[in-house]
Amino acid sequence: DSGVTQTPKHLITATGQRVTLRCSPRSGDLSVYWYQQSLDQGLQFLIQYYNGEERAKGNILERFSAQQFPDLHSELNLSSLELGDSALYFCASSVTQAWNSPLHFGNGTRLTVT
Amino acid sequence: AQTVTQSQPEMSVQEAETVTLSCTYDTSENNYYLFWYKQPPSRQMILVIRQEAYKQQNATENRFSVNFQKAAKSFSLKISDSQLGDTAMYFCASPHGAGGTSYGKLTFGQGTILTVHP
Repeated sequence: DSGVTQTPKHLITATGQRVTLRCSPRSGDLSVYWYQQSLDQGLQFLIQYYNGEERAKGNILERFSAQQFPDLHSELNLSSLELGDSALYFCASSVTQAWNSPLHFGNGTRLTVT
Repeated sequence: AQTVTQSQPEMSVQEAETVTLSCTYDTSENNYYLFWYKQPPSRQMILVIRQEAYKQQNATENRFSVNFQKAAKSFSLKISDSQLGDTAMYFCASPHGAGGTSYGKLTFGQGTILTVHP
C-alpha cells in the first residue's frame, strides 16, 4: 500500500458529462501529480501541485482542471467528457518537489465514457 | 521535449532465469534520478528501483539491478531469479523538464510487458 488514496476506483459516465476524481496524498507529502494512462498515449503527465499551488502543467486539456486544497488533498475535474477521455487516471505524491523525491502512486481511477 | 524509449514492447522469461529490460532517455537536467516502476495486473504503480545519475555504482534492490550508462543515456533493468509475481508491465521514467524545472515530475516510457513462465 503506497499510502495514496484515490476515489472512486471506477467511474462510468456519458459523453458531455462532468466528473471529479479525488486524491489524498501520503501523510506528509506536499506535492501531488496527476497522470493519465491510456492505451494509445501511455502515461502522460497532466498537472502538479505543491502545497496548494500549481507548479507545472503537462498535456492537460482545457476541459480539465485541478486544485489542491489546504488539507493537501487534490481533485481533478473533467468536463464535457468525450469517448477519448476514457483512461486510467493516477494520482501520485511526493514529499517535496525536488528531483530526488520519488513519486508514490495511488491505485488509479478507471474512467469509462460511453 | 523529454523522451524515454523502451524498445521492447513485450518480453518473456522462464521462472528462475534472468531477463534485462532496456531503456534509453533524454534529459537536460544536471542531476537527476531515474526510476523503474512496475505495474502488475492489479494496475498499481510500484517503484522497483531508482538510480541517481551522479552515482557511478549501479543501484541494486534484491533481485533487481540496473545497468546505468550515463554517457549513452541508457538505463536497463536486470531481474535475476525471475518469479511468477514479476509478471507485469515495467516502465522506465526520467525527469520531465529542463534546467532544474522538472520539480520531480516524470516522463515515462511506453512500457515493456514482462511475462514470467513457470
